[in-house]
Amino acid sequence: EAGVTQFPSHSVIEKGQTVTLRCDPISGHDNLYWYRRVMGKEIKFLLHFVKESKQDESGMPNNRFLAERTGGTYSTLKVQPAELEDSGVYFCASSHRNQPQHFGDGTRLSIL
Amino acid sequence: QKEVEQDPGPLSVPEGAIVSLNCTYSNSAFQYFMWYRQYSRKGPELLMYTYSSGNKEDGRFTAQVDKSSKYISLFIRDSQPSDSATYLCAMSPWDGGGSNYKLTFGKGTLLTVNP
Repeated sequence: EAGVTQFPSHSVIEKGQTVTLRCDPISGHDNLYWYRRVMGKEIKFLLHFVKESKQDESGMPNNRFLAERTGGTYSTLKVQPAELEDSGVYFCASSHRNQPQHFGDGTRLSIL
Repeated sequence: QKEVEQDPGPLSVPEGAIVSLNCTYSNSAFQYFMWYRQYSRKGPELLMYTYSSGNKEDGRFTAQVDKSSKYISLFIRDSQPSDSATYLCAMSPWDGGGSNYKLTFGKGTLLTVNP
């Protein structure tokens, strides 16, 4: 069984540009989560999809972040325009119902 | 006060030692408790998963939850150099049967097992 796949693995962009991160969950997992770890801090929740619906987006930092999950399969997280403080590692996780979440290897985002 | 506190270490032990890792938390709504292992430049990998209080054992790993003290532990017996990684505790509430299980993480403890 393929795990959670994220790409790109690393992205370097300049402040003000746009970046789109993609996550492919484990097949059959209705729950998809986005998390972020900034330097020196713990991993923090951003939002949660159940199929294509946003269940909880209380962790999204501001309206420069837009997450979508069209068709309830893969998800994208767009940052537009990117700011310096958006640098960090963005993780995606998926789960089936109330089972534990499985994580991807993350996208390392560097804003210059 | 952070919801989850975890000593970041670093923790260095000789091969074969028993390792004890722990987290404390303040939110009494937490019901699911997990330990993840994270190698450098990789994502968190689920190690142990428990619901509510009690112990759970899986090979060399034992997870303990004491809800009365709001304290969880992970024990590693006969530690190996391959156990060298960052260990993250994570927990989530029970939301009455819904499907929101967002995780709250500790900062992680960096463990090195020396051959």
